[in-house]
Amino acid sequence: AQSVTQLGSHVSVSEGALVLLRCNYSSSVPPYLFWYVQYPNQGLQLLLKYTTGATLVKGINGFEAEFKKSETSFHLTKPSAHMSDAAEYFCAVSEGNAGNMLTFGGGTRLMVKP
Amino acid sequence: DGGITQSPKYLFRKEGQNVTLSCEQNLNHDAMYWYRQDPGQGLRLIYYSQIVNDFQKGDIAEGYSVSREKKESFPLTVTSAQKNPTAFYLCASRVAGGAETQYFGPGTRLLVL
Repeated sequence: AQSVTQLGSHVSVSEGALVLLRCNYSSSVPPYLFWYVQYPNQGLQLLLKYTTGATLVKGINGFEAEFKKSETSFHLTKPSAHMSDAAEYFCAVSEGNAGNMLTFGGGTRLMVKP
Repeated sequence: DGGITQSPKYLFRKEGQNVTLSCEQNLNHDAMYWYRQDPGQGLRLIYYSQIVNDFQKGDIAEGYSVSREKKESFPLTVTSAQKNPTAFYLCASRVAGGAETQYFGPGTRLLVL
């Protein structure tokens, strides 16, 4: 069975500082990995995903994530936080089975201080 | 514009009442999903459907029912058997294929009167 752990339910950074949101997963097969962002009372929007190939994945809004198989991690980073980055972020894993079920982490709420 | 629509945005349920949440997509996606979101718990899968007239239970299907009579539509009924229905409900869809992305609708917030 697959599972996802997001360390830190709340992360606070200053505007302009590095953003690092942690995601560790367990999977019995090579996984597909996703990061989604959710603004208040809205649906989820895809930031980026890893399927195969290059382990450093670039997404929208300046975010990127690196797949590290040896560490079973897929941490999300952004060099310089902007006030508009304040939102909740979800890491998700899929084993690519027929139903493509996603298993989500508990989410990390990012707060950006001026 | 292609996308996923969910209605209503807010829904109020009385004790003992069944309510139905609508999810429609015009993306020509094969698979559709319903998730429940509670604070601090991420998203949990209620039901999913990969083709018309077929659907499977997810992790928390008790107290919910679905139908998939058309490719575009996947309504979710919250029955009176669901004792704690207050949550944010999200519908998603995707094309067939293992690595394909799930795209999400804007959500429906269900509250109990």
